[in-house]
Amino acid sequence: AQSVTQLGSHVSVSEGALVLLRCNYSSSVPPYLFWYVQYPNQGLQLLLKYTSAATLVKGINGFEAEFKKSETSFHLTKPSAHMSDAAEYFCAVSWVSGNTPLVFGKGTRLSVIA
Amino acid sequence: NAGVTQTPKFQVLKTGQSMTLQCAQDMNHNSMYWYRQDPGMGLRLIYYSASEGTTDKGEVPNGYNVSRLNKREFSLRLESAAPSQTSVYFCASSPLRTGGSNEQFFGPGTRLTVL
Repeated sequence: AQSVTQLGSHVSVSEGALVLLRCNYSSSVPPYLFWYVQYPNQGLQLLLKYTSAATLVKGINGFEAEFKKSETSFHLTKPSAHMSDAAEYFCAVSWVSGNTPLVFGKGTRLSVIA
Repeated sequence: NAGVTQTPKFQVLKTGQSMTLQCAQDMNHNSMYWYRQDPGMGLRLIYYSASEGTTDKGEVPNGYNVSRLNKREFSLRLESAAPSQTSVYFCASSPLRTGGSNEQFFGPGTRLTVL
C-alpha cells in the first residue's frame, strides 16, 4: 500500500534557525506531492505543491521543498524560522495512476522558540 | 467566493444521538471528501465522492454515512454517536481529474464532542 512518512511528530527550532521537516513516500510511479500547513483551530492551507515542472518548489511564507526521486523524499525547508511559522505541517501525495484521494502523513508540529 | 464552508463549527452530542455535518463548496469542484483529525493520527479519510452521484469508503467509514446532495454539497451523518467519534471533522474538495494534480481545498472544520 502506498504511504507517506513524516519523520518526527514534533520539531522545535529557535527563531532565525533553519527549518527542516522530512517527508518520504512509497511509490511505484512519480507522484504529485503537497505540503499543507494548519494553524491552531484552522483548516489546512496549501503551502506548496510539486507537479513535475521543477524539482525545487517554492511556496508561500518563504518555504520551499525539493523533490528527490532517488530518495523518494520531499522535505520542506525554510532558511530562517519565524514565530509565526509555529503550526502543524502535513505532507500529502497523490498518484497519477488513478482518481484516488490524497494520502496524508501524520503531521509534524513545528514549535519556534524565541 | 467562500471556498469550502462547514456547519456547525462546534457541536456537543450525547451518546446515541444523531446529527448531520454539512459541507458546501462554491468552486465547481468535482470531488469532495470527509476527514477526521485526531491527535497523533493525522487526517484519516472517512468517505469521499469522486463526482456527483458517487461515494466511496475511505480508511475509517464505520459509524458514518454520507450523501452527495448535488455538486456543491456533501453531508456526513452520524446515526448513533459514540465517544470514539469525538474528533475534528474536515471537509475538502478538489477539481479531481485523471492524470492531473488533485490539490484539495479544506473547510475550517467542525469540532465534535460526544459525551
